[in-house]
Amino acid sequence: GDSVTQMEGPVTLSEEAFLTINCTYTATGYPSLFWYVQYPGEGLQLLLKATKADDKGSNKGFEATYRKETTSFHLEKGSVQVSDSAVYFCALLRSNDYKLSFGAGTTVTVRA
Amino acid sequence: EADIYQTPRYLVIGTGKKITLECSQTMGHDKMYWYQQDPGMELHLIHYSYGVNSTEKGDLSSESTVSRIRTEHFPLTLESARPSHTSQYLCASSERLNSEAFFGQGTRLTVV
Repeated sequence: GDSVTQMEGPVTLSEEAFLTINCTYTATGYPSLFWYVQYPGEGLQLLLKATKADDKGSNKGFEATYRKETTSFHLEKGSVQVSDSAVYFCALLRSNDYKLSFGAGTTVTVRA
Repeated sequence: EADIYQTPRYLVIGTGKKITLECSQTMGHDKMYWYQQDPGMELHLIHYSYGVNSTEKGDLSSESTVSRIRTEHFPLTLESARPSHTSQYLCASSERLNSEAFFGQGTRLTVV
């Protein structure tokens, strides 16, 4: 069935460094793709989304492009801040039952 | 800002007790989910609802049960809590079949 595979962490960066978190998907069709963020002690918040090939989602300086040819949806941010420390989840909406399926999550820690 | 609420935020309870985790949303969304999040942060879908009087088991087998008598309310019940039920439980809802999900703050359950 449809699924996502996410880069394992943890990832530790210095402030203002470049962040990339890899996410690839397996799907029979063209599922909608999402990145969610979870701050300590909180629920998940939608960070960005893309619903079709070549769509670029962006929010709060984060970007991800839906790449059909490489079945990828990598998350990037050019200059991270300490406040970006969180767990990031890649997700897709399964085409057979429209349920949201998540990757394993990547813990990101940004040091001042 | 999504309006989905979970209570309680934290619950410590003894083995054998019956518990109900509450989830309510004010957005009129038909789809609702329950996820269990393990200490490694991975999210597992345990229950799903397409609308009133519709409930389905998710990908991960769970001893909990759910009900959907009203659109806005999707409670999860454990008839007899065990230490293995200790986890974070996240409720979510989405507007349409193919739209993103909004999450509550979560309930952290500890069974002692």
